[in-house]
Amino acid sequence: NAGVTQTPKFQVLKTGQSMTLQCAQDMNHNSMYWYRQDPGMGLRLIYYSASEGTTDKGEVPNGYNVSRLNKREFSLRLESAAPSQTSVYFCASSGQGKETQYFGPGTRLLVL
Amino acid sequence: AQRVTQPEKLLSVFKGAPVELKCNYSYSGSPELFWYVQYSRQRLQLLLRHISRESIKGFTADLNKGETSFHLKKPFAQEEDSAMYYCALSPAAGGTSYGKLTFGQGTILTVHP
Repeated sequence: NAGVTQTPKFQVLKTGQSMTLQCAQDMNHNSMYWYRQDPGMGLRLIYYSASEGTTDKGEVPNGYNVSRLNKREFSLRLESAAPSQTSVYFCASSGQGKETQYFGPGTRLLVL
Repeated sequence: AQRVTQPEKLLSVFKGAPVELKCNYSYSGSPELFWYVQYSRQRLQLLLRHISRESIKGFTADLNKGETSFHLKKPFAQEEDSAMYYCALSPAAGGTSYGKLTFGQGTILTVHP
């Protein structure tokens, strides 16, 4: 039981390049989330998906898009990366009660 | 709008000393409050939630609605408690926003031998 997995672990992009961060969970959870973690800012919600087929904006959605491909997978896309998107990105999932979120190991993204 | 504030970015104590990590929140309603912890080279994980009113690894946290606080306490800190701690808030269960967490800025706790 791997829990929440994320790929890649680390990525370097040039300004303007695009990329997709992948997230998958094997806990049969309905809800999935994308956060970014920045020093002094804590974790901020980018997008979330309450269930398969639905997505909604979080606190900081600008510059990002998401896809809930199926119940297991929730991807985050940067269409045109900017240095301000340099961060650590965490995916999380939660079950029916949503009391506990389970986090992935994170993706470190550096945009030059 | 909901907000969570952790006033201490860094907190250092010696082993065996009491520790208190502060968390204040603003929310119009009855939120659910959580403490998450991230140990070195490990994933962020739930430490405790106010609804369960339990003690995990010797830590407790009481929700004070009058002072809108949810401070995390441990009477005798251990070196293995060194980690990043996040306080988080969720709107009350039953609403459409339930489960959308707002995190504080985090507090790095260092317990010295």
